[in-house]
Amino acid sequence: DQQVKQNSPSLSVQEGRISILNCDYTNSMFDYFLWYKKYPAEGPTFLISISSIKDKNEDGRFTVFLNKSAKHLSLHIVPSQPGDSAVYFCAGGGGSEKLVFGKGTKLTVNP
Amino acid sequence: NAGVTQTPKFQVLKTGQSMTLQCAQDMNHEYMSWYRQDPGMGLRLIHYSVGAGITDQGEVPNGYNVSRSTTEDFPLRLLSAAPSQTSVYFCASSPGLPNRYNEQFFGPGTRLTVL
Repeated sequence: DQQVKQNSPSLSVQEGRISILNCDYTNSMFDYFLWYKKYPAEGPTFLISISSIKDKNEDGRFTVFLNKSAKHLSLHIVPSQPGDSAVYFCAGGGGSEKLVFGKGTKLTVNP
Repeated sequence: NAGVTQTPKFQVLKTGQSMTLQCAQDMNHEYMSWYRQDPGMGLRLIHYSVGAGITDQGEVPNGYNVSRSTTEDFPLRLLSAAPSQTSVYFCASSPGLPNRYNEQFFGPGTRLTVL
């Protein structure tokens, strides 16, 4: 049972445009969500989080939107930069220390 | 702070060999965990620990053992390596509950190949 789903394995956008990465979840017990960014040959690094009581959280160029009724969240990157090219993981948590990760989406930002 | 450190960075084993992947953190975090990353599979939890002396299984624990004798260290043991354990292994730590978001800090990874 895949509790966190990232259905798009890859996404390609032009520099300066918006990148939208999507994530769906099935576990209603999640009460917060996190996005991680991973470059090749490095460990994942925390990017942004959102509580289930909010529908939006913004940090600079990065905004996460949460639609609880649809069990869907998305990460918006505006404007996209070539340095944003990485694999992005969505993760859900709640009730315990464990995080459940999606399979990731590889973002490529073309100059 | 060094954060989360992992050794070795690369390792090649033969089937049936044993080894220990080392993980240490200097942030006094209670929660530590091990993940494996395989192509198209994301990050899957192997084992985790909520504090010294306490460990539990994650999603894919078979073939791996862990122990947590100190807050700082959380080694992962492969008793008899198999080709299916070829993967990139990440250790992570976090302050644990009741922190609001269990933001986990990851190490740089160990790339393991089992022949």
